[in-house]
Formats: sequence, C-alpha cells, structure tokens
Amino acid sequence: DAMVIQNPRYQVTQFGKPVTLSCSQTLNHNVMYWYQQKSSQAPKLLFHYYDKDFNNEADTPDNFQSRRPNTSFCFLDIRSPGLGDAAMYLCATSREPYEKLFFGSGTQLSVL
Amino acid sequence: DAKTTQPPSMDCAEGRAANLPCNHSTISGNEYVYWYRQIHSQGPQYIIHGLKNNETNEMASLIITEDRKSSTLILPHATLRDTAVYYCIVRALYNQGGKLIFGQGTELSVKP
Repeated sequence: DAMVIQNPRYQVTQFGKPVTLSCSQTLNHNVMYWYQQKSSQAPKLLFHYYDKDFNNEADTPDNFQSRRPNTSFCFLDIRSPGLGDAAMYLCATSREPYEKLFFGSGTQLSVL
Repeated sequence: DAKTTQPPSMDCAEGRAANLPCNHSTISGNEYVYWYRQIHSQGPQYIIHGLKNNETNEMASLIITEDRKSSTLILPHATLRDTAVYYCIVRALYNQGGKLIFGQGTELSVKP
C-alpha cells in the first residue's frame, strides 16, 4: 500500500496560472519535504515542515509556497508558474529529521 | 554537508555483483553515508546507510573504508529491476536538520 501519495500523477497548467500539488501520508511522520527534479537532474530540496514549523531553503524562489494543514497533508503552491518550473515534484516524509525518508511517486508538472 | 563524487554511469551483467563506488573525502565525524536509488519515473527509494562500520540488509551491503573517505555499495546479484540511478549522500543528521541533499548519482544499467 502506498504510504506517501501524490496526486495527480501528471498535472498540466498554463503559464502564470496558479497550481497546487498535493501530498498525503499514512505514516504519521513528523517531517514532510518537497523536492523539485528537473529532467536529467538530481532532486533539489525546496522546503520542509517539521510538524508545523516551516523551513525554506535559501535558494527556493518566492513563487513556491507550501501549506501543511494537518499531519497527513502537505501542499505545494506555485503562484505563477513559468516554463522553467516544469519538473517532477517529489514529496517525502520522515518520522524525525534524522531518520530515513520515504518518497512518493511524484507529480510531473507541465507548463504550457 | 560533505560533497560526494560518483561515476556518472556503470554497466553490470545480470546475476553479477554490482559494486558502486563513492568518494567523500571531506566527510566529517558526525556525517553518515546514505544510499538511495531512483528507478525511472519513480520517487527515490532508501537502500542503506552507515557511519563507519560495514552494513548489510536485504537489499545491499555498504562497505566504508577505515578512513571513511570512500564507500562502496554492493548489490550482490543484480537483476534487470536494479537498473536505476544510485545516489550516495553524506548526511549530517544532527546538524542542519538532517537534510538529504542529492548529488548527481550513478546511472546503473543491468544488462541480460
């Protein structure tokens, strides 16, 4: 059974049109992460939540926001997607920051 | 976190052992070596991790040199399903929130 679930698997949006990607987990983990992975590149950490505490990476653009309304759900909001934001977005969880991460299958975002 | 160096690609014959090297010459005393893999179009999957002793689990073995400046991931009997990108990551668990920062990885192709 999937433990970190990302929906949808594929998302198409228009240039400049806000889009939200969702992630849910059945593991009851404290930490949730969002990574961006562009074609043929390694995943890049955007931000993470430890419980309700939000931690942004220094080089994450302001265009990217996140919400975590409860333990199980976390959302990635892209306020004004550009063509350069087309990528696979990966959600991951860990019980504590120093424990192993469990990844979802990702959402492939296309920007037209 | 310390940087890692991995060969960009490797081939392995099915049924043979796959030995994936990783150099982490600037690793510090509190940093662990983690290995993840990413099968095409899926999220990364945890394989194994270690501090200074060799480790083995149901997926692989991790051999860390005595000076901890390099390590080798061993898949004892590679199958076609082991074809993936393998990431060696040095992770400071108790500093910087234990963030998992990916390098470029090794693309392993297992051939019949």
